[in-house]
Amino acid sequence: DGGITQSPKYLFRKEGQNVTLSCEQNLNHDAMYWYRQDPGQGLRLIYYSQIVNDFQKGDIAEGYSVSREKKESFPLTVTSAQKNPTAFYLCASSNPGPTMETQYFGPGTRLLVL
Amino acid sequence: GENVEQHPSTLSVQEGDSAVIKCTYSDSASNYFPWYKQELGKRPQLIIDIRSNVGEKKDQRIAVTLNKTAKHFSLHITETQPEDSAVYFCAANFGGSNYKLTFGKGTLLTVNP
Repeated sequence: DGGITQSPKYLFRKEGQNVTLSCEQNLNHDAMYWYRQDPGQGLRLIYYSQIVNDFQKGDIAEGYSVSREKKESFPLTVTSAQKNPTAFYLCASSNPGPTMETQYFGPGTRLLVL
Repeated sequence: GENVEQHPSTLSVQEGDSAVIKCTYSDSASNYFPWYKQELGKRPQLIIDIRSNVGEKKDQRIAVTLNKTAKHFSLHITETQPEDSAVYFCAANFGGSNYKLTFGKGTLLTVNP
């Protein structure tokens, strides 16, 4: 999982501002994911992408957007429509085949609202 | 809907004791069940997983058991050590998906020296 990087480690957002979280992987994985983690809530899926130029909404996609223009990169934008963005954001990747395979996580970005 | 219930939410044991964490899932099509360990402020890391074609899997002090009929699976840690202290998450893939995991809410395990 050392092949997945996220930046920045901490991010501060002002009211009405869009911010973008970076996720890069050099594991040659086809699939990438974004999760949100809140205290006592576990991990909740925001968006996932099975392949370049394709992505699907997860369970809590409202107020977020993504793109997948390159296999290695899956940036997440937290828009001003997300009213409660303070959380720990985790990116993951995997290489699914005939069966589900392990998802490996990046180190996370902690987003705070000013 | 997709749901994974995890219990207990906190667990405190003495060093050397065993710890057991249980999860139940709702979708009989689920066939992949991973367990992740997350230390404070760090990324979740896979510690063990099990597929629906086996009932038990072991890796040194860690084991996972799966009861498909009852739709529950459990993590067993023997001879616990202080470094086992962390939050543990179970998960299941719903609809037999190769992509989507639904996570439990986590168990904070504290191992007291």
